[in-house]
Amino acid sequence: QKEVEQDPGPLSVPEGAIVSLNCTYSNSAFQYFMWYRQYSRKGPELLMYTYSSGNKEDGRFTAQVDKSSKYISLFIRDSQPSDSATYLCANLIKAAGNKLTFGGGTRVLVKP
Amino acid sequence: KAGVTQTPRYLIKTRGQQVTLSCSPISGHRSVSWYQQTPGQGLQFLFEYFSETQRNKGNFPGRFSGRQFSNSRSEMNVSTLELGDSALYLCASSLGQGEQFFGPGTRLTVL
Repeated sequence: QKEVEQDPGPLSVPEGAIVSLNCTYSNSAFQYFMWYRQYSRKGPELLMYTYSSGNKEDGRFTAQVDKSSKYISLFIRDSQPSDSATYLCANLIKAAGNKLTFGGGTRVLVKP
Repeated sequence: KAGVTQTPRYLIKTRGQQVTLSCSPISGHRSVSWYQQTPGQGLQFLFEYFSETQRNKGNFPGRFSGRQFSNSRSEMNVSTLELGDSALYLCASSLGQGEQFFGPGTRLTVL
């Protein structure tokens, strides 16, 4: 079993819909949680960074962390075709420096 | 502010050769981490350098090595290349710990 799991998708939504992405993890030592967006043949781009349970909002993006359930979510409001990409969750243990453990990613398609 | 840069962007090598990849972090960032991305295994951590010292290492064979220079630029080296080393190699920079910013990657093809 991988430490961080994501549904690979693809997740197809119409333009303007809310995109809901989820990630589960098994290691309770994870303390920091990140979401990255990766376009095809590009490097991952940091979207959200959080370290506590609860919600964090940034523009159209909301990250939700539930440490008790080991469950992380990312919501994208008013989705656009340019949001079509692979979304990766990544977790970090403070004592492990900057070693990120990634989920496999969820591919999202936003159709015009 | 310039982002993370990686050179070269594309590389083709044959089995048994060695390769060196370079990463220049964001100005002021002292941590550089390297990751391998393949369709089968996803993104996997190789190692991290902070202030010229290796701070953490992933589960890769000794053929994979790296170093960091006093200006925080980093190189990774893969010796005795195997077909399975074909991947996108990504580096990420960070101030210390926390938010990491990735470069565009070097796509390595081993024939």
